[in-house]
Amino acid sequence: SAVISQKPSRDICQRGTSLTIQCQVDSQVTMMFWYRQQPGQSLTLIATANQGSEATYESGFVIDKFPISRPNLTFSTLTVSNMSPEDSSIYLCSVPIYREDTQYFGPGTRLTVL
Amino acid sequence: GQQLNQSPQSMFIQEGEDVSMNCTSSSIFNTWLWYKQEPGEGPVLLIALYKAGELTSNGRLTAQFGITRKDSFLNISASIPSDVGIYFCAGQLYSGGSNYKLTFGKGTLLTVNP
Repeated sequence: SAVISQKPSRDICQRGTSLTIQCQVDSQVTMMFWYRQQPGQSLTLIATANQGSEATYESGFVIDKFPISRPNLTFSTLTVSNMSPEDSSIYLCSVPIYREDTQYFGPGTRLTVL
Repeated sequence: GQQLNQSPQSMFIQEGEDVSMNCTSSSIFNTWLWYKQEPGEGPVLLIALYKAGELTSNGRLTAQFGITRKDSFLNISASIPSDVGIYFCAGQLYSGGSNYKLTFGKGTLLTVNP
C-alpha cells in the first residue's frame, strides 16, 4: 500500500482567488493522479501528474485552471485558479501501486468557494 | 467513454442484515476495485479483483469479478453500524505503458440502523 497525505485538509476561499493543494506520498511513484469529487458525486479524474514532464489533462480540464507541479517522485501540487463557487469540491490525489494493480487515495482536500 | 452503472444508489438496512450492490459496464476491465468512503475521508480500498470469475473475501465482505469482465458485485454480511458510508466500484483498464486510469461508479450510500 501507500501512505498519502494532503494539505490543507479543508479551506474556505473567496471567489477569484487561487488555492494550491499539496500531496505527499511515503514512497517514490512514477505517476500521481488528481481527482475532483463534487458534492454528492463520484470521482472524476482531472489529470495525471508525471515526474519530469507536463501533466496530462482529461477532457474538460485545462492547465490554466488547474496547473500541476511534480517536482519529484513523492510530491505533487494542484492549484485551483481563479476560483468560483462551482469549484467547491473535494480534491483527491491518488497513486497507482503497480505490483498490486491498485490505486490508493489521499484523505482529500475539502474546498468551499464563497 | 466507459461508463459504470452502480446500483442501488442508496440502501437503508437494519444492523445484522446482509447487503448486496453491483456494477455493470458497457466494456471490459482488467481489474475491478471496490472502495469505501466515509464522510471527510478519501476512498479506502476494500477489495481488488484481477481475474474473470474471481471470488474474493475480506472479512465480512465478498466480491466477485463477473465472467464477462463487464460486471462485479460486493456483498456485506451481518452489517454493523460502522459499515455506514459510500461504496464505489471502479474499473481499471490497463492500456499500455503506465496507463492505469480508473473509471468510477456513482456510488452506493449505505445506512445501517442499529
